[in-house]
Amino acid sequence: AQTVTQSQPEMSVQEAETVTLSCTYDTSESNYYLFWYKQPPSRQMILVIRQEAYKQQNATENRFSVNFQKAAKSFSLKISDSQLGDTAMYFCAFMKGGSGNTGKLIFGQGTTLQVKP
Amino acid sequence: EPEVTQTPSHQVTQMGQEVILRCVPISNHLYFYWYRQILGQKVEFLVSFYNNEISEKSEIFDDQFSVERPDGSNFTLKIRSTKLEDSAMYFCASSELLYRGEGYTFGSGTRLTVV
Repeated sequence: AQTVTQSQPEMSVQEAETVTLSCTYDTSESNYYLFWYKQPPSRQMILVIRQEAYKQQNATENRFSVNFQKAAKSFSLKISDSQLGDTAMYFCAFMKGGSGNTGKLIFGQGTTLQVKP
Repeated sequence: EPEVTQTPSHQVTQMGQEVILRCVPISNHLYFYWYRQILGQKVEFLVSFYNNEISEKSEIFDDQFSVERPDGSNFTLKIRSTKLEDSAMYFCASSELLYRGEGYTFGSGTRLTVV
């Protein structure tokens, strides 16, 4: 069975600074996808960034980038130039790929990020 | 941008009552899901649905739960006899394909309160 662990329940960062959220996962699958979702106070789940396990290159979306270390099963999210609107709960998630994939996402416990002015 | 729509946004029900949560997935999506989030906690998978049948369900999704796509546009989650511990935020999601995990979209959720 796959598991996703986020070991930082809460973090804070000053506006305009950089912060890194940690995520580790455990799987025996070779084909899978990893995601970071943002959940602001509105409670909507918003996709931040997605990584395909077979790609060595780290995904980047504007101020958001990941450090994907496949051997270490680590998938951290870096937020550069933090903005007040980045204040939210962030969830790391895993999806099995290949045959037998039903689209099920397995989430970590979440990290609450507060950006301070 | 296309959205997944969930209604109602908040529902209060008495313990033991049946409740139906409704979702309208994105029109060209083929895969549908329900997730649950007890307040402040992790998001938990309940069920995935494809081609008019359940493709996977979690241990949480017991005989009290059922899903249906009654008319080709709505996707519903029914809880037959609600318990206090069913109080949670319920999210519907849909995706067009499973390839590369793209296009997976969540609705804004229904907050269910069982009293």
